Amino acid sequence: EPEVTQTPSHQVTQMGQEVILRCVPISNHLYFYWYRQILGQKVEFLVSFYNNEISEKSEIFDDQFSVERPDGSNFTLKIRSTKLEDSAMYFCASSEIPRTGGNGYTFGSGTRLTVV
Amino acid sequence: SQKIEQNSEALNIQEGKTATLTCNYTNYSPAYLQWYRQDPGRGPVFLLLIRENEKEKRKERLKVTFDTTLKQSLFHITASQPADSATYLCALAGSGNTGKLIFGQGTTLQVKP
Repeated sequence: EPEVTQTPSHQVTQMGQEVILRCVPISNHLYFYWYRQILGQKVEFLVSFYNNEISEKSEIFDDQFSVERPDGSNFTLKIRSTKLEDSAMYFCASSEIPRTGGNGYTFGSGTRLTVV
Repeated sequence: SQKIEQNSEALNIQEGKTATLTCNYTNYSPAYLQWYRQDPGRGPVFLLLIRENEKEKRKERLKVTFDTTLKQSLFHITASQPADSATYLCALAGSGNTGKLIFGQGTTLQVKP
């Protein structure tokens, strides 16, 4: 069964440092997303990406965040200057055309980001 | 503001019984609703999707209902097994084409043998 692959599985970084979280979405999916989940809290939407541009972003996704699809397979989330409150599990997901719902969204196993 | 509520208390049931989980929402008109399973430290896994014009959907031991008048979805697992123990999340999608999902906080199900 096709999978969304995320690397690394765990990243520890110092406050103020830049981090890049990487994802390989499912190859025939057209929409890509980043979500995050702070320990014990809801899964929260960060950003959706389609046709090489951001479709929608949440209030969390401020100027410190950026996304990129540098080649035909990878999808990255960059946090420029990490803060303690950025510590969370970050999930990448991909889907077919959202309007039809399709077969739901496929999530990766996540990157646990710890900012110290 | 948009709100999605799932029962935050854990649901404990005996193996073989039917588990019923509830998802209520307000200030929202979702085009469809999805249910996911999440195990500790793992990403959500898609289970079922139901559209706004559908009343009920089934897949093996799973059944979802969607009442847009009550603004509620019920998720049933029949003949529950200990392996069904996990957190179950409902997620709503808007009618726009951005694909954004809004998740509930999840209900943890514990099935005892």
